[in-house]
Amino acid sequence: ETGVTQTPRHLVMGMTNKKSLKCEQHLGHNAMYWYKQSAKKPLELMFVYSLEERVENNSVPSRFSPECPNSSHLFLHLHTLQPEDSALYLCASSQQLGDYNEQFFGPGTRLTVL
Amino acid sequence: GQNIDQPTEMTATEGAIVQINCTYQTSGFNGLFWYQQHAGEAPTFLSYNVLDGLEEKGRFSSFLSRSKGYSYLLLKELQMKDSASYLCAVKDSNYQLIWGAGTKLIIKP
Repeated sequence: ETGVTQTPRHLVMGMTNKKSLKCEQHLGHNAMYWYKQSAKKPLELMFVYSLEERVENNSVPSRFSPECPNSSHLFLHLHTLQPEDSALYLCASSQQLGDYNEQFFGPGTRLTVL
Repeated sequence: GQNIDQPTEMTATEGAIVQINCTYQTSGFNGLFWYQQHAGEAPTFLSYNVLDGLEEKGRFSSFLSRSKGYSYLLLKELQMKDSASYLCAVKDSNYQLIWGAGTKLIIKP
């Protein structure tokens, strides 16, 4: 595997379910990100981790819970979601935080909440 | 507030040239990025500008004017595979990327 991988690619869940999204980066990067992408809207930064420490939490509802067990893996735990949470969830990584640090994105998980 | 503006959609002809504009108002500036995103795929990095002027990379060029809060992405010799969304993003004073909603580019034969 190369680059940034995400599983599952598609997920359908009910509002009472609990599920987790997984992201893995094979680039040796130190920073990882979760984004939400809704149709015709800008990418919304949800969480930022640097060296496994959370450095940003942009007013995200508590029904989204991130976990970064090591510098290569990032999880997003989901529980009691709402239909408006249906979106594409993208994971990204970069060498480090800072000015020029290109972010590499995974293919995303298309989430549908019924 | 912070804001990135770019056109929602543009149409161009195969073989032609197209310019996609981006204007921004952010708290601080630490560089501007352009990404390409094909439908159903991940965004991929195209260019980075932090100083004023033009950066050329093959068929793609990106221009920045910090005093005007303005950038454009220039695509030459358009190919059908260039049909995609083009995302403009600015790194603010906290080194967070602020994203535009993207410009959907449609290429016609």
